[in-house]
Amino acid sequence: GAVVSQHPSRVICKSGTSVKIECRSLDFQATTMFWYRQFPKQSLMLMATSNEGSKATYEQGVEKDKFLINHASLTLSTLTVTSAHPEDSSFYICSSLDSSGNTIYFGEGSWLTVV
Amino acid sequence: GEDVEQSLFLSVREGDSSVINCTYTDSSSTYLYWYKQEPGAGLQLLTYIFSNMDMKQDQRLTVLLNKKDKHLSLRIADTQTGDSAIYFCAVPRGGYNKLIFGAGTRLAVHP
Repeated sequence: GAVVSQHPSRVICKSGTSVKIECRSLDFQATTMFWYRQFPKQSLMLMATSNEGSKATYEQGVEKDKFLINHASLTLSTLTVTSAHPEDSSFYICSSLDSSGNTIYFGEGSWLTVV
Repeated sequence: GEDVEQSLFLSVREGDSSVINCTYTDSSSTYLYWYKQEPGAGLQLLTYIFSNMDMKQDQRLTVLLNKKDKHLSLRIADTQTGDSAIYFCAVPRGGYNKLIFGAGTRLAVHP
């Protein structure tokens, strides 16, 4: 079946630095991927929609200059958290529709801790 | 916008059935999803139901959909300790299947 892979699964970075999270579709082409964020004990909130070959669409309240999304190929979308602060510490998870367009699969998620 | 609501906590005895409920507001959704999240892990797709169906059964899982009342439920038969997790219902919003999640129901299974 379709598999979406994220890397890294856990990352610790210093405040003020940038960190990149990768989301790959392993056996299908994903023209659209979605990035979510989950704070501890909360539900997942959609951050942005990543479109291959074009600019991402951000949800209200999400800073596009802080959370840079690049979807340069049909199998890879990246989320870069720039100038990270401790309040950016969260669980970031991507998802994509499979090739049938019926099923949404999620990556394993990435735990970001900013110290 | 889409609102998806779930009860936050459910405690059941091992071997009993668990029923997790979800209500949503957007009536245009085509597929509705249930995901499972174990502690410290990502999301696992459990099952989904198409909006023209009333029921879908998959082994121990039964999904019921009342489209008129916009109510979705997930029944887990013979609940086991390994079923302890947070269960999210999710409803697509818009043409790209962006998912709107409920707050999640934490299922605790005790002996």
